[in-house]
Amino acid sequence: QITLKESGPTLVKPTQTLTLTCTFSGFSLTTPGVGVGWIRQPPGKALEWLAVIYWSDDKRYSPSLKSRLTITKETSKNQVVLTMTNMDPVETATYYCALVIAESGDAFDIWGQGTMVTVSS
Amino acid sequence: SYELAQPPSVSVSPGQTARITCSGDALPMQFAYWYQQRPGQAPVLLIYKDSERPSGIPERFSGSTSGTIITLTISGVQAEDEADYYCQSTDSSGTSVFGTGTKVTVL
Repeated sequence: QITLKESGPTLVKPTQTLTLTCTFSGFSLTTPGVGVGWIRQPPGKALEWLAVIYWSDDKRYSPSLKSRLTITKETSKNQVVLTMTNMDPVETATYYCALVIAESGDAFDIWGQGTMVTVSS
Repeated sequence: SYELAQPPSVSVSPGQTARITCSGDALPMQFAYWYQQRPGQAPVLLIYKDSERPSGIPERFSGSTSGTIITLTISGVQAEDEADYYCQSTDSSGTSVFGTGTKVTVL
């Protein structure tokens, strides 16, 4: 069974750096074709694609956020970490991590439950 | 930046067919994907590579493409299909974007 779970702070202050961890099971990020991505969703608003890291360590970032995002993997721990610098209150959102499998193209096949992050002083 | 446009809302009676469109300039060249998101839940993949259904997704969900527009069709709509639906696609650089989302209301 494949599962993903997001963890991190529920509250960050404006200008601070957000660090989120995705801990997964049931697959390995050393398997060719596998990737893990991050998506966020402000309350009542649409999904926003943030970044993906692949088994090969290839990384893709949202062009509008690229300067503020870093995605890394720790394969021995089955974890993917996303850092986002200089957080703003408008970035209050639920942050999801999700599995990418090459057979499905760039689709997010399985999602975590999401973690709510509030940006406020 | 690349954008995918969806109608904000679609209303449909039970048993009827709902069609949700998603338009984007790069869609003729890139695969598209569809997700369903029920209130308070994480999205679920409905369609991948334009028209493929993952295992476990009911056959009443189907995807099609025509030029710069892709369409998610829900045949024989059920009350449980009331949810938000999002399309997703990728641009030539390999980065993805989600559509603006469509709220489906079952009357």
